[in-house]
Amino acid sequence: ETGVTQTPRHLVMGMTNKKSLKCEQHLGHNAMYWYKQSAKKPLELMFVYNFKEQTENNSVPSRFSPECPNSSHLFLHLHTLQPEDSALYLCASSLLSGRVSDTQYFGPGTRLTVL
Amino acid sequence: DAKTTQPPSMDCAEGRAANLPCNHSTISGNEYVYWYRQIHSQGPQYIIHGLKNNETNEMASLIITEDRKSSTLILPHATLRDTAVYYCIVTNFGNEKLTFGTGTRLTIIP
Repeated sequence: ETGVTQTPRHLVMGMTNKKSLKCEQHLGHNAMYWYKQSAKKPLELMFVYNFKEQTENNSVPSRFSPECPNSSHLFLHLHTLQPEDSALYLCASSLLSGRVSDTQYFGPGTRLTVL
Repeated sequence: DAKTTQPPSMDCAEGRAANLPCNHSTISGNEYVYWYRQIHSQGPQYIIHGLKNNETNEMASLIITEDRKSSTLILPHATLRDTAVYYCIVTNFGNEKLTFGTGTRLTIIP
């Protein structure tokens, strides 16, 4: 248990569906991240939020829409996805104190399958 | 950020020390070496980090060469639960942008 939870753990959706992934951290951190991990590929950073403000969008298609209403919650809204978007979506958080000892804590991920 | 090179896979006998190498020959002076691992179907887990001195914590030891161009992660007494993909990441001060490579798949053999 890392203090970062993600729901749902598994999701199957059609290409025309709209769904949302949720991430919550109970660590008092100020930064939150979305990563994508496709089969046999490295983790790819998608979005970074610092103090609720988006500071990084790694050229992610607009069919992925993040939302960070507060420092503890992060959502990833999905619409009109493609089968190649099937992957493990990981959320992480970090304190953002400026100290190098800060590390990222990852949630267990949501396994997404797009049919 | 500097790039890293790791062997794609390694085996280690249970109870022995697992030594995982990482090359980072283009590392710059303000870049730290971080190690994370990812057990199958779980999120990555932080292990240890260092700048130029050797570091040790309850999970592992990190040995960084004097020229800082390579490092070794040491798991002193490997258990079956240490089977995972281990990632060596080099990044400057602030870990907000971790770039994960393909890592080393470590298999602990009973």
